[in-house]
Amino acid sequence: GENVEQHPSTLSVQEGDSAVIKCTYSDSASNYFPWYKQELGKGPQLIIDIRSNVGEKKDQRIAVTLNKTAKHFSLHITETQPEDSAVYFCAASTGGTSYGKLTFGQGTILTVHP
Amino acid sequence: DTGVSQDPRHKITKRGQNVTFRCDPISEHNRLYWYRQTLGQGPEFLTYFQNEAQLEKSRLLSDRFSAERPKGSFSTLEIQRTEQGDSAMYLCASRIGGGEQFFGPGTRLTVL
Repeated sequence: GENVEQHPSTLSVQEGDSAVIKCTYSDSASNYFPWYKQELGKGPQLIIDIRSNVGEKKDQRIAVTLNKTAKHFSLHITETQPEDSAVYFCAASTGGTSYGKLTFGQGTILTVHP
Repeated sequence: DTGVSQDPRHKITKRGQNVTFRCDPISEHNRLYWYRQTLGQGPEFLTYFQNEAQLEKSRLLSDRFSAERPKGSFSTLEIQRTEQGDSAMYLCASRIGGGEQFFGPGTRLTVL
């Protein structure tokens, strides 16, 4: 089955700096790569996603890049703010008989210091 | 609030007891997933429903676990004879077609 590795496990930045989180996946059939933000006591919330026919996607301060050949994808957050502090998860899924189930990475605890 | 609700939010039980959790997905969402999340880890897939049909179950879902989705609306997840290793956050997610998965707030289970 699919295996997703995520690094780093913790990331500490100063307000205004950029943050980058990286993930690799194992199943070349994976075609959908969402990123979720999880705050304490809440369920994961989608912040951005990318499909395998696209190399990069941007939404305001957040961007995701995908390298299908190397099987890795990254989350970039620019101009970080204290409210960006949370746990971030990458995930991967395939279509077909996998029914869109998500395989998650281990998570990155992002701390943005004012 | 994503529109997916779960009940209860917290459950403390003694080892050996049975527990049942409920998930109410967004009303028009025909696909429903259950995941389990242990402390410091990402969610792990447990089972998937399309309408009322349970189409996939993870190997994580031992025979003590059972899930239902009668009439393709809300879903329940029951754990029989709970063990301390069952302590985790149980998350429900729903989607329509190939859209994004919307997660509920989860039910945190503590088995003493």
